[in-house]
Amino acid sequence: GNSVTQMEGPVTLSEEAFLTINCTYTATGYPSLFWYVQYPGEGLQLLLKATKADDKGSNKGFEATYRKETTSFHLEKGSVQVSDSAVYFCALRDSGGSNYKLTFGKGTLLTVNP
Amino acid sequence: EPEVTQTPSHQVTQMGQEVILRCVPISNHLYFYWYRQILGQKVEFLVSFYNNEISEKSEIFDDQFSVERPDGSNFTLKIRSTKLEDSAMYFCASSEAGLDNEKLFFGSGTQLSVL
Repeated sequence: GNSVTQMEGPVTLSEEAFLTINCTYTATGYPSLFWYVQYPGEGLQLLLKATKADDKGSNKGFEATYRKETTSFHLEKGSVQVSDSAVYFCALRDSGGSNYKLTFGKGTLLTVNP
Repeated sequence: EPEVTQTPSHQVTQMGQEVILRCVPISNHLYFYWYRQILGQKVEFLVSFYNNEISEKSEIFDDQFSVERPDGSNFTLKIRSTKLEDSAMYFCASSEAGLDNEKLFFGSGTQLSVL
């Protein structure tokens, strides 16, 4: 079956540090890959996505590249801000599904200190 | 920006009691979902709902669970006889039709505690 494994948290960084949150996946077919973010007290929000191999999703300074050869979709940001403190979820959608279902990882808590 | 609203934010109940978790999806969305996250574990898919019927459900979604869209705005999850292991954060989500249905909009969740 499908599964997503992401880096265990929590991750604590200083402002302007470089961020990487690792995500690897197992899936049948050719999944679409997503990063969702949950800010304190809010619902999960789509941060970025990639739908095929070598695609790069980007948003708000975050990037992730769909690597089929390593089955990975690592999230990166060159310089984090305090406002990036949140829980980050990696997820996939199997291309073979007739209905929309996301498979998530556990989430990684990021805290950015000033 | 429009948002998915969930009530209550916290629900405490006794084992064996029925609970109803409520959600108001975004008004022009056609697909509705429930997910849950047990503390320390992955966010898990429970059910998807389209055109007034369940379109897909997971093995978690057994006979104790049901969903309903009682009117044009609400989407509810009912657990008939709660167990301790039902304690989790429950997330409602909705999405548009077509290609944009890949983008799910989630509510902020209902934390259910079964005692």
